[in-house]
Amino acid sequence: ETGVTQTPRHLVMGMTNKKSLKCEQHLGHNAMYWYKQSAKKPLELMFVYNFKEQTENNSVPSRFSPECPNSSHLFLHLHTLQPEDSALYLCASSPPSSNQPQHFGDGTRLSIL
Amino acid sequence: QKEVEQDPGPLSVPEGAIVSLNCTYSNSAFQYFMWYRQYSRKGPELLMYTYSSGNKEDGRFTAQVDKSSKYISLFIRDSQPSDSATYLCATVPGRSYNTDKLIFGTGTRLQVFP
Repeated sequence: ETGVTQTPRHLVMGMTNKKSLKCEQHLGHNAMYWYKQSAKKPLELMFVYNFKEQTENNSVPSRFSPECPNSSHLFLHLHTLQPEDSALYLCASSPPSSNQPQHFGDGTRLSIL
Repeated sequence: QKEVEQDPGPLSVPEGAIVSLNCTYSNSAFQYFMWYRQYSRKGPELLMYTYSSGNKEDGRFTAQVDKSSKYISLFIRDSQPSDSATYLCATVPGRSYNTDKLIFGTGTRLQVFP
C-alpha cells in the first residue's frame, strides 16, 4: 500500500478511443503530479497541481487533459493518442511544503494499438 | 547535453558485493540530489536525499555528492537479492529545494544474484 493509488493498472486502447486514468492519494497531500515513464528515458514531468490549481504544464500535447477536482484526486483524460504515447504513467503527491519528497503510485501501463 | 546522465545498465553483481551506482549532472547550480528505487511493476520510492557535497549514510546505503566533478553516487554494501531494482537519481533545478520540478536520470537496473 503506497498511499497513492492508480487505476487501472493496465490499459490497452485504440488511437480513436477516449479513456481516463485515475489517481487517488490518502496522505493528506496538496500537490499532485503526472509523469510519463518510457523505456530508456528519464521520467518526464507532465503536469503539476497545487491545491487543485494547475501550476505546471510541461508542453504536453492537448490529447492529454488533466483534471484535479480536489486535493485527493487527479485524472488524466486521454483521446486520439498516438503509438508513441505507450508508456507507464505515474502519479505522485507531496505535502503542502515544497521541500518534501514526492510519493509515487505504481502507475498505469498504457498501450496504444 | 542531458541535465542528468545515468548508465542504464543492467548491472549484475553477486550477493554480498559492494555496488556503486553513479550519475553526472550538467548544471553546477544544482544542490539537492535524490536517489529513488523502483521495483518491477512499482512506482519509485525515495531512498535518500543529500544537499551539496559530502556523504550521507543510511544503513547499507551511502549517498555521495562530488560537486567539483558534478558526480553523484549511491553505494550499497552487502548487497542482497532484494536490492534488485532500478535506481533513479534525481536533482532539483535551481538553488531552492522545490521538489515540484525534479529532473531524473534514466535509471540503472541492478540485479543481485544469490
